[in-house]
Amino acid sequence: GNSVTQMEGPVTLSEEAFLTINCTYTATGYPSLFWYVQYPGEGLQLLLKATKADDKGSNKGFEATYRKETTSFHLEKGSVQVSDSAVYFCALSDRGGANNLFFGTGTRLTVIP
Amino acid sequence: NAGVTQTPKFQVLKTGQSMTLQCAQDMNHEYMSWYRQDPGMGLRLIHYSVGAGITDQGEVPNGYNVSRSTTEDFPLRLLSAAPSQTSVYFCASSRQGLAGELFFGEGSRLTVL
Repeated sequence: GNSVTQMEGPVTLSEEAFLTINCTYTATGYPSLFWYVQYPGEGLQLLLKATKADDKGSNKGFEATYRKETTSFHLEKGSVQVSDSAVYFCALSDRGGANNLFFGTGTRLTVIP
Repeated sequence: NAGVTQTPKFQVLKTGQSMTLQCAQDMNHEYMSWYRQDPGMGLRLIHYSVGAGITDQGEVPNGYNVSRSTTEDFPLRLLSAAPSQTSVYFCASSRQGLAGELFFGEGSRLTVL
């Protein structure tokens, strides 16, 4: 079946620190992979995506590379800001036809000045 | 710039009461879905629809009903609320063929006493 495992939080970093949030997946077939971000009091927003192996998704300084050999899609950012404080969700898409997403449990990031 | 609109944002029910969470989107998206978000469990799919008149069950459908009479609206009904349904509910939509690129509403926090 399809599932996503991401690192437990919460994660607390100082401003300008390097961020890595680990995500591994199990899937049948060849899923697309996503990172969504949820700011306090809001719904989820798509942060970045990758649709095939070795693709790199990037947005707002965040990057993640689709690694089929390690079934991973780790999120990285070289220098975090206070405004990056949010909950980050790794997700995969079932390509069976419907646009259903399978989410990880989320990782809460707090960036302190 | 409405996007996906959910109402109400907050609701308190007593066990056994019924209610409907409303969801509307103005992007002419074929696909709509409902997720629930619980601590430590990420988001789980309740029901989804790939077009008007078509609905299907997700991962956790028990206790919930949906219908899709128009492209714009996708209400979620709780016929007899239970404390286990205390959660934050998110409606999401997307165009078919863009698997995983969901647009989310701001969420509805439901408490069942």
